[in-house]
Amino acid sequence: QQKVQQSPESLSVPEGGMASLNCTSSDRNFQYFWWYRQHSGEGPKALMSIFSDGDKKEGRFTAHLNKASLHVSLHIRDSQPSDSALYFCAASSSNNRIFFGDGTQLVVKP
Amino acid sequence: EAAVTQSPRNKVAVTGGKVTLSCNQTNNHNNMYWYRQDTGHGLRLIHYSYGAGSTEKGDIPDGYKASRPSQENFSLILELATPSQTSVYFCASGVTGNSDYTFGSGTRLLVI
Repeated sequence: QQKVQQSPESLSVPEGGMASLNCTSSDRNFQYFWWYRQHSGEGPKALMSIFSDGDKKEGRFTAHLNKASLHVSLHIRDSQPSDSALYFCAASSSNNRIFFGDGTQLVVKP
Repeated sequence: EAAVTQSPRNKVAVTGGKVTLSCNQTNNHNNMYWYRQDTGHGLRLIHYSYGAGSTEKGDIPDGYKASRPSQENFSLILELATPSQTSVYFCASGVTGNSDYTFGSGTRLLVI
């Protein structure tokens, strides 16, 4: 069973709109969560991490973590065409490898 | 700047041939990882290593071997390449716990 599930598989939003990506994990040992972003033709890059319950904001990006429900979300406000990419949710427990979801393909239309 | 460098960037191999993909990191990370990425499957872990001389099987190790001769270098070896191994391969480095991975730019492999 996939340890990290992402939804939706793909998402299209207009430029300037809000994009919301979701992630649920099945392992209650997970303590650390990340969002990675991969532009076409490149390797994934860590976008932001969140380790505590609640919101974490970095510019236009806000991550939200609810450890009780093992749910993580990423919200991108004022979406730009340059935000178009494949977004991975990832999670790990102490001293263990990171597990990745299958990704959400985001398209921001001008 | 710390980085993960993969070579080659593109490779065409014949079925049954031997392929070696190389990865070098300057992050001084203990752990290194090899993933393949196919449409609809996300990132799948093939092999990983906790340090020089160690290799561990990931989720899809069949048909692949790995070698970690030094802290900096980690190779993925396809002894008998098959068309089903056509994919994009990513190397990453990291440490355990609460640190993220650094990925290379990928190697696009076509087996004909």
